[in-house]
Amino acid sequence: NAGVTQTPKFQVLKTGQSMTLQCAQDMNHEYMSWYRQDPGMGLRLIHYSVGAGITDQGEVPNGYNVSRSTTEDFPLRLLSAAPSQTSVYFCASSLLAGENTGELFFGEGSRLTVL
Amino acid sequence: GQQLNQSPQSMFIQEGEDVSMNCTSSSIFNTWLWYKQDPGEGPVLLIALYKAGELTSNGRLTAQFGITRKDSFLNISASIPSDVGIYFCAGSSSNTGKLIFGQGTTLQVKP
Repeated sequence: NAGVTQTPKFQVLKTGQSMTLQCAQDMNHEYMSWYRQDPGMGLRLIHYSVGAGITDQGEVPNGYNVSRSTTEDFPLRLLSAAPSQTSVYFCASSLLAGENTGELFFGEGSRLTVL
Repeated sequence: GQQLNQSPQSMFIQEGEDVSMNCTSSSIFNTWLWYKQDPGEGPVLLIALYKAGELTSNGRLTAQFGITRKDSFLNISASIPSDVGIYFCAGSSSNTGKLIFGQGTTLQVKP
């Protein structure tokens, strides 16, 4: 199994550009989420989903959109990139929402730089 | 909102020493987890704790879920060079689907 696959691994954008970070998992996980990692701030939850057609906001949702049309895919869209969105983005999934939600499998990350 | 305070922020130790790090929360969690992140990779789950007072081991790692449900600690015994990385605590409240992470503890081990 590939696990959680993120693309692209690296991306450079100009301020105002839009883009989509792709995330796919092949483990039939119900729960998927996006985090951003910044130095000294740990991992902060952007958006999450407990199943196809269901999404909700995390700690830092502003400037990002998500959708969950299938169980496998959970893309993260940056509508108008800003330098403050320069970060490393991680997609993560787990088997069940609820008790075992925390047992997350993470992708390798996508490093985004906004100039 | 919910916050986790993880300490220490960084540690530089000698190979063979024991390590202890902890995490405290301003609110109650029903699940505590500990993850490790190697450079250039995503975090990997080390230990998951689901009951207050629970003490769980995974090899040289031991973690406990605090009785108050507002804290957890992770101990690493007899550290080795491959223990180097960033260790994160994380907590979850039931029915929210949200997993909140601490700021991380960066561990360096001198051979």
